[in-house]
Amino acid sequence: DQQVKQNSPSLSVQEGRISILNCDYTNSMFDYFLWYKKYPAEGPTFLISISSIKDKNEDGRFTVFLNKSAKHLSLHIVPSQPGDSAVYFCAATLPGGKLIFGQGTELSVKP
Amino acid sequence: IAGITQAPTSQILAAGRRMTLRCTQDMRHNAMYWYRQDLGLGLRLIHYSNTAGTTGKGEVPDGYSVSRANTDDFPLTLASAVPSQTSVYFCASSASPAGGDNYEQYFGPGTRLTVT
Repeated sequence: DQQVKQNSPSLSVQEGRISILNCDYTNSMFDYFLWYKKYPAEGPTFLISISSIKDKNEDGRFTVFLNKSAKHLSLHIVPSQPGDSAVYFCAATLPGGKLIFGQGTELSVKP
Repeated sequence: IAGITQAPTSQILAAGRRMTLRCTQDMRHNAMYWYRQDLGLGLRLIHYSNTAGTTGKGEVPDGYSVSRANTDDFPLTLASAVPSQTSVYFCASSASPAGGDNYEQYFGPGTRLTVT
């Protein structure tokens, strides 16, 4: 039973446009949500996070939005750059700190 | 260079053989984790350790064991490998296991394991 779901395995976006990556979850006990970025042959790296008590967090070109009533979060990248091409994992934490990951979405930003 | 190292980078292993994946961190983090990454399934937690001397089971612990004799090292052992354990294995660490602002986990580069 997948508690964190990324229903789009891939996304292709033109350079300079907005990339929107989506994530849905089922467990209302999650207290933090995180996005990780992964390049081939490397480990995931932390990108941005949001507490369950907030609805938006922004860091440069990256913004994460949380809609608790819909159990949905999204990552916006504006403007998208070719270096953003990677697999993006959504993750959520339960009290105690364990991370539950989604399946990942592969973003391709085309020049 | 601070961070997490994993060894080996990749390995081909015959079914039934024993294998230990090594993980070392130099950030003095309390918590460490082992994940496996499989296509379409994302990263799944195998085992974790909140502090040296303690370990716990994650989502998919069967067929794996871990130990945490000290803060820096967290080896993962496959006692008798099976083909379904073919995967990419990532070790991670975090300053605190208890959530809050220290929940961020730092990942190693991974070990690609093929069991034939």
